[in-house]
Amino acid sequence: NAGVTQTPKFQVLKTGQSMTLQCAQDMNHEYMSWYRQDPGMGLRLIHYSVGAGITDQGEVPNGYNVSRSTTEDFPLRLLSAAPSQTSVYFCASSYSINYGATDTQYFGPGTRLTVL
Amino acid sequence: TQLLEQSPQFLSIQEGENLTVYCNSSSVFSSLQWYRQEPGEGPVLLVTVVTGGEVKKLKRLTFQFGDARKDSSLHITAAQPGDTGLYLCAGPPSNTNAGKSTFGDGTTLTVKP
Repeated sequence: NAGVTQTPKFQVLKTGQSMTLQCAQDMNHEYMSWYRQDPGMGLRLIHYSVGAGITDQGEVPNGYNVSRSTTEDFPLRLLSAAPSQTSVYFCASSYSINYGATDTQYFGPGTRLTVL
Repeated sequence: TQLLEQSPQFLSIQEGENLTVYCNSSSVFSSLQWYRQEPGEGPVLLVTVVTGGEVKKLKRLTFQFGDARKDSSLHITAAQPGDTGLYLCAGPPSNTNAGKSTFGDGTTLTVKP
């Protein structure tokens, strides 16, 4: 199993450009999520999905869109990049994320994005 | 909203020293998890604690869940350079925050040879 894969690993954008961060998992997990990580801070949830066709907002969703057409893939789209979106982005998946769930979240290696 | 506060934020020690990092909340959690994130990588689960007062050991790492299930600690004995990384505690979704797990801001540990 490859686990959770993310592409690209590094990306530099100019303000106003758009792009899609790719995320895929081969563990047949229902739950997938996107986090951003800024220096000195933990992980902040951007968007998540509890299954194909179902997505919802996390705590910092503005400026980002997601879709979940298959169980395996969960791309994150930046509509019009801003310098405030410079960050490291992690995709994660788990078997479930129900109330009180103790399932392991498996993280990808991250995408390091710089917006100039 | 359930918040997790971790302390200290940064810790730099010499190889062989012992250390403890903390994860505290005013909310009760049904369980807590600890993840370690090495530089340039994604977080990896170390342990899940589910019972108040529970103690789990993973080689030189000892994890404890508070009796009231509002806090947890991670103790490392005889730290090694390979322990260097960001340690994150995480709580599962609550009944009012479905689908959203909570992460603390982390403790960045540097172990010098």
